[in-house]
Amino acid sequence: QKEVEQNSGPLSVPEGAIASLNCTYSDRGSQSFFWYRQYSGKSPELIMFIYSNGDKEDGRFTAQLNKASQYVSLLIRDSQPSDSATYLCAVRTPSGSARQLTFGSGTQLTVLP
Amino acid sequence: GAVVSQHPSRVICKSGTSVKIECRSLDFQATTMFWYRQFPKKSLMLMATSNEGSKATYEQGVEKDKFLINHASLTLSTLTVTSAHPEDSSFYICSARDGGEQYFGPGTRLTVT
Repeated sequence: QKEVEQNSGPLSVPEGAIASLNCTYSDRGSQSFFWYRQYSGKSPELIMFIYSNGDKEDGRFTAQLNKASQYVSLLIRDSQPSDSATYLCAVRTPSGSARQLTFGSGTQLTVLP
Repeated sequence: GAVVSQHPSRVICKSGTSVKIECRSLDFQATTMFWYRQFPKKSLMLMATSNEGSKATYEQGVEKDKFLINHASLTLSTLTVTSAHPEDSSFYICSARDGGEQYFGPGTRLTVT
């Protein structure tokens, strides 16, 4: 079982719709969770982080964390074609020697105009 | 968010030569920096964790004598690809942690001919 799992997609949504990206993790002791956006040919850009159970909203983005079920999700409201990118879920696990992030393989999102 | 820079952004070198990539944290001090590589349409692969003032910790399968890492100050880490070969051609990305969040540099695209 991979430590951090994401549906690779591609996920396509029409412009203006809500895009829902999901991520599950295996280490129950994980405490920090991050969502990165990566455009083709570019490096990842941090867009959200969440540490506590529940929802965290930032503009059109909402991160949701459920530690009991070991999943974290990212909702993008009013999706725009510029949101088309690969979204990487990352988890900081306490077992890591330097507490580095463990990344999922990413979900490719396409927002159709 | 915090800013991480990398130089150069692109480099083309001949097989057998060495290439140095610099990673700088511009507005914060980073005791720990990370080096990743990414092949086209693949996820990030952690190569090594660079600790200021001490030896880097390499991931399994990464040759430490080929990928030399130096973290001489709290704002600078370098990766030197020695005796580069065409199979080393890839997108190399550094990352630095500022508190709980981890930020990425813009990446260096290395092409070995």
